[in-house]
Amino acid sequence: QKEVEQNSGPLSVPEGAIASLNCTYSDRVSQSFFWYRQYSGKSPELIMSIYSNGDKEDGRFTAQLNKASQYVSLLIRDSQPSDSATYLCAVRRGGSYIPTFGRGTSLIVHP
Amino acid sequence: DVKVTQSSRYLVKRTGEKVFLECVQDMDHENMFWYRQDPGLGLRLIYFSYDVKMKEKGDIPEGYSVSREKKERFSLILESASTNQTSMYLCASSQGNLNTEAFFGQGTRLTVV
Repeated sequence: QKEVEQNSGPLSVPEGAIASLNCTYSDRVSQSFFWYRQYSGKSPELIMSIYSNGDKEDGRFTAQLNKASQYVSLLIRDSQPSDSATYLCAVRRGGSYIPTFGRGTSLIVHP
Repeated sequence: DVKVTQSSRYLVKRTGEKVFLECVQDMDHENMFWYRQDPGLGLRLIYFSYDVKMKEKGDIPEGYSVSREKKERFSLILESASTNQTSMYLCASSQGNLNTEAFFGQGTRLTVV
């Protein structure tokens, strides 16, 4: 049973559009949620973390968390070709230090 | 900024060799992790350490061991490298409290021939 699920994509959006990336998780006691961006051949870098229900905005990025429905999403506004990458969702259950990663969604932003 | 440094960016080893992958972090983090990443399989945890000399097996520990003699350094050891251990290896670290994120090193692309 995969604990963190992401659509592998690719998700293709035109430049300037909103990209919506989704992640569902199975463990109800999950408490910490993270989005990482990974360019091809590079290591993951943290974009955002979110710990409570609702929205959290940082520049063009908005993370949304709904614990009752067990999903977390990432919206990227005004998408740029430089946003083309794989986006990894990570979830950490309560009381654990270990993040569990989804397999990632490939995003392609075309000019 | 947190810096996690892996000793090699690319490594080529022969089957049966003992391989050491080194990772150093400079932010006094308690937790350190070794993951491997393969196409279609995502990031899989090999080992986790929450303190000096303390370790826990992850999802795929077989064929690997780890060493953490100092807080800043976490080593991954392939006892006898095999071709199915060809992969991207990623080290990460995080603080000891629960609401903190993990930071990754640049990765080591290991090829076993």
